[in-house]
Amino acid sequence: EAGVAQSPRYKIIEKRQSVAFWCNPISGHATLYWYQQILGQGPKLLIQFQNNGVVDDSQLPKDRFSAERLKGVDSTLKIQPAKLEDSAVYLCASSDGTGPYNEQFFGPGTRLTVL
Amino acid sequence: AQSVAQPEDQVNVAEGNPLTVKCTYSVSGNPYLFWYVQYPNRGLQFLLKYITGDNLVKGSYGFEAEFNKSQTSFHLKKPSALVSDSALYFCAVRLPYSGGYQKVTFGTGTKLQVIP
Repeated sequence: EAGVAQSPRYKIIEKRQSVAFWCNPISGHATLYWYQQILGQGPKLLIQFQNNGVVDDSQLPKDRFSAERLKGVDSTLKIQPAKLEDSAVYLCASSDGTGPYNEQFFGPGTRLTVL
Repeated sequence: AQSVAQPEDQVNVAEGNPLTVKCTYSVSGNPYLFWYVQYPNRGLQFLLKYITGDNLVKGSYGFEAEFNKSQTSFHLKKPSALVSDSALYFCAVRLPYSGGYQKVTFGTGTKLQVIP
């Protein structure tokens, strides 16, 4: 079974530039998550999709971050414009089903450096 | 509000010795509890979870965890540590449905270093 795919793996940009990350979840997984993991901290949920609808985006900085899930499968996360404090690893995860007892499967992450 | 604490930033253990990585939680209700492991430059991998039933949960790679409701703890354990167990470990908590959405909350992580 193929895992969660993310691209790019690494990205370096200047502040105020834009950047986009892509995620392809495990086939058939209804729920997709985007997390921000700052060095030395645990993952922080940015947004959760169930199929192509948003379940929770309460911690997404909506003035600069946006996300969409195309046809309930792939997802993109965009930052525009980026700030220095956005430097982090962005993790995508998916789970089979929508219950809170389902474990999540994580992709390798995208390491973003904002200069 | 729910929270999870991992009181140790780093745990060092000799290869072959038992290991424990601590996790305590604070929620109003009966939580679902998870352990994930993160190897360098890789995403998190699921190790085990507690949903209900037996307080001792067994998971991948020989790890187990014990749910202790009175102490609100869910410590990760392994009888004999391997050098390959060296990684970053995250505890996570989530509440069951109670009329609303409940997000998962991760701890800050504990770095496990197994010394040969």
